Amino acid sequence: AQSVTQLGSHVSVSEGALVLLRCNYSSSVPPYLFWYVQYPNQGLQLLLKYTSAATLVKGINGFEAEFKKSETSFHLTKPSAHMRDAAEYFCAVSGGFGYNKLIFGAGTRLAVHP
Amino acid sequence: DTEVTQTPKHLVMGMTNKKSLKCEQHMGHRAMYWYKQKAKKPPELMFVYSYEKLSINESVPSRFSPECPNSSLLNLHLHALQPEDSALYLCASSQGSKGGGDTDTQYFGPGTRLTVL
Repeated sequence: AQSVTQLGSHVSVSEGALVLLRCNYSSSVPPYLFWYVQYPNQGLQLLLKYTSAATLVKGINGFEAEFKKSETSFHLTKPSAHMRDAAEYFCAVSGGFGYNKLIFGAGTRLAVHP
Repeated sequence: DTEVTQTPKHLVMGMTNKKSLKCEQHMGHRAMYWYKQKAKKPPELMFVYSYEKLSINESVPSRFSPECPNSSLLNLHLHALQPEDSALYLCASSQGSKGGGDTDTQYFGPGTRLTVL
């Protein structure tokens, strides 16, 4: 069965510092992986997705993620945090169900302080 | 354009009321979804429509009744809800494919904040 684990429910960084949000997955079939961001009182916005084309995936707002099969990881990074990056981030996996079902991780709340 | 719209933005209802949530997309997507999200939790899938037919019901109580009148519209009819049903209800859509759509990207609407008194 597919599952996703996000390490760290809260991450706090200084403005301008590296952002690293961790996601590990479990999948019995080649997974498709997604990162979504949710700003307060809003819906989810797609940041990026991995669908086996390239292991390093670039997304919006300067974020990127690297798929590492040997580590079953898909960590999200951004070189320099901005205040506007403060939000909830969800990693999700799909695949193996025969239909499009997303399994979400528990989420990581990113705080950015001056 | 990757916009999914939802109305209303906020809804307060009593336990005996009947109300409906509406979702609309004009991206030509053929799969549409309802999710429920409680505070500080990830979204939980409720229903999936594929080509206007209900393909997944995640054992949702019958007080929630989905409807897909056409490929652009998705409704969620609410009746006799409980206070624990208070949550953010999110709609999403994806391109969809009859053979399954594991690589489909789901695009989410802004949600309806529901409060049941």
